Amino acid sequence: GAVVSQHPSWVICKSGTSVKIECRSLDFQATTMFWYRQFPKQSLMLMATSNEGSKATYEQGVEKDKFLINHASLTLSTLTVTSAHPEDSSFYICSATGTQTYNEQFFGPGTRLTVL
Amino acid sequence: AQSVTQPDIHITVSEGASLELRCNYSYGATPYLFWYVQSPGQGLQLLLKYFSGDTLVQGIKGFEAEFKRSQSSFNLRKPSVHWSDAAEYFCAVEATDSWGKFQFGAGTQVVVTP
Repeated sequence: GAVVSQHPSWVICKSGTSVKIECRSLDFQATTMFWYRQFPKQSLMLMATSNEGSKATYEQGVEKDKFLINHASLTLSTLTVTSAHPEDSSFYICSATGTQTYNEQFFGPGTRLTVL
Repeated sequence: AQSVTQPDIHITVSEGASLELRCNYSYGATPYLFWYVQSPGQGLQLLLKYFSGDTLVQGIKGFEAEFKRSQSSFNLRKPSVHWSDAAEYFCAVEATDSWGKFQFGAGTQVVVTP
């Protein structure tokens, strides 16, 4: 099946700094990528949808200035958590889909963010 | 409001025993239905999906799920559980008019005992 990678797999940062998380589709062109957030022992919550070359569409309640999403190419989307605070600590997971994947979503392994 | 419910937060099952995980949904029209498995600290792996047609769906790792329209359910089953099946299982739905937007259930943690 199609492979989606995320980098880094985990990151620890100080409060007030910004952190960038990359999501890459390794063997297919991802026309659409999704970003999810998962709190411990909880389900995944969709944060935003990004289409290549377009601005991301954010779900209600997600601060677009806090979580900057860029989908500049068909294989890469980035999520930047700006001015991170401890409450932003979470597991962030991306998924990707494209015409070659017959609209099936493939999930990345996730990135664990801890803000001190 | 649209919702996905997994009534069981935690299930313990003996190795070799059967397993059934429940999933109920509340949507205006029958959505697309999925089951994913997540191992600790990992992403999600698709077990199976239902779009239309045969209501009994076969998936990977010996899992199957049955769609019951009258009960708005999509329960996951496995006849004989292996220790490697210990993981978190998520039911997900995708509204047919909101392509790509998944709504996940709260998840069911499965523990397998010897």
